[in-house]
Amino acid sequence: DGGITQSPKYLFRKEGQNVTLSCEQNLNHDAMYWYRQDPGQGLRLIYYSQIVNDFQKGDIAEGYSVSREKKESFPLTVTSAQKNPTAFYLCASSMWALTSNQPQHFGDGTRLSIL
Amino acid sequence: SQQGEEDPQALSIQEGENATMNCSYKTSINNLQWYRQNSGRGLVHLILIRSNEREKHSGRLRVTLDTSKKSSSLLITASRAADTASYFCATVSYTTSGTYKYIFGTGTRLKVLA
Repeated sequence: DGGITQSPKYLFRKEGQNVTLSCEQNLNHDAMYWYRQDPGQGLRLIYYSQIVNDFQKGDIAEGYSVSREKKESFPLTVTSAQKNPTAFYLCASSMWALTSNQPQHFGDGTRLSIL
Repeated sequence: SQQGEEDPQALSIQEGENATMNCSYKTSINNLQWYRQNSGRGLVHLILIRSNEREKHSGRLRVTLDTSKKSSSLLITASRAADTASYFCATVSYTTSGTYKYIFGTGTRLKVLA
């Protein structure tokens, strides 16, 4: 079955540590996205990528970094510069970012907490 | 405040009743989408309505869009306990960089009591 796989499901970060969240899709989608969800809140866009080797900052990119070396993969690194990283992180993809009538497909998220 | 704001924030109904959720937004849009999120899971796309459409149906879902009032509503008819989830609207708008931006609202938590 095609879909988006996020790993790990739960992740703990120590002070001063960088951690990387994995996102892999086998939907052959061009566009991929990272969102942050805080309790009782909507989703806020961290980074997005329309094509391999290209990505753009979203609304809350500070303290995060991404790469897009392969179409299937869009890992997110939460750096030590992100002082409040505790949240639920969701990865999504859509067929093509340059047309509007595309639903986004989501993974099941990674819950990140500080030790 | 956010582009998409749902109301009510929380809704509790009996099985078999209808559930109505509303979404208001601020800027012009290309389309509006509704998503569902079960606890601890990712979002699942439910339905998309284009800016030139006024109403759309899919199974027990009915979505309306009023661009003059910048609002949309999602109606779930004959609700079931399995409909218990959070529901989010997402507006899709064209940006100056030539892409389309999705902005998600804060969600309505629906609880359907058996």
